[in-house]
Amino acid sequence: GNSVTQMEGPVTLSEEAFLTINCTYTATGYPSLFWYVQYPGEGLQLLLKATKADDKGSNKGFEATYRKETTSFHLEKGSVQVSDSAVYFCALIWAAGNKLTFGGGTRVLVKP
Amino acid sequence: GAGVSQSPSNKVTEKGKDVELRCDPISGHTALYWYRQRLGQGLEFLIYFQGNSAPDKSGLPSDRFSAERTGESVSTLTIQRTQQEDSAVYLCASNPGYSSYNEQFFGPGTRLTVL
Repeated sequence: GNSVTQMEGPVTLSEEAFLTINCTYTATGYPSLFWYVQYPGEGLQLLLKATKADDKGSNKGFEATYRKETTSFHLEKGSVQVSDSAVYFCALIWAAGNKLTFGGGTRVLVKP
Repeated sequence: GAGVSQSPSNKVTEKGKDVELRCDPISGHTALYWYRQRLGQGLEFLIYFQGNSAPDKSGLPSDRFSAERTGESVSTLTIQRTQQEDSAVYLCASNPGYSSYNEQFFGPGTRLTVL
C-alpha cells in the first residue's frame, strides 16, 4: 500500500538556521505530494504541493522538489523564524485515489 | 467565506457511550473526508464522501464507527460504545471534488476524550 515516512522530531533550531525535513514515500503509480502545516492552536493547512516529477512547490520561503528517482519530497527553508514553529506533515494522494496518506508529522521548534 | 467547521470542538465522554461529531464543509464542495489524529501520531484516513455516497470507507476501524452525509452538505461521524482508544482529534476536510489533486481544506477538529 501507499505510505509516507518523515523524520521524527522534535527538531529544535535557532532563528535564521537552515531547516530540512526529510520525506520519502511508497506509492503505486504517480502520486501528488503535499506538505501540510499545523501551527499551535490552529487547524491543518496546505503549505505547498507538487503534482508531477521534478515539480518544485514553494510557499512562505519553504520549498520541496518532487524527486521520482529517490521517491522523496524533502522540505527546506533557508532561514527559519520563530513563527515557523509548528508541526509539518508530508502527504500524498495516489493518482487513482482521493484520500491523503500522511506521514507521522515532524514538530519544529524555532528559538529566538 | 466560511471554512470547514466542526462541532463540538471538545467532547469528553464515558466509555461505552455513543458520540456524534458534526462537520459542515465549505459550501459547494462535493467531496468530504474524515481523518483521525491520535496523540503523537499522524493522520489516519477514515472515510470519503462524494456527494452523499461513500465510495471509500476503508479506514473505519470497526463497526462501531459509521458516518453519513445528507444534502451534499453536513456530515455526521458516529462512534458507538466508545472505547478509550477512540480518544483522538477527529478532523474533517472538504474539496470541490472534481480533481483528486485539489487541496483538501481542513476544519479545526473535534478533540474526543473517552474516560
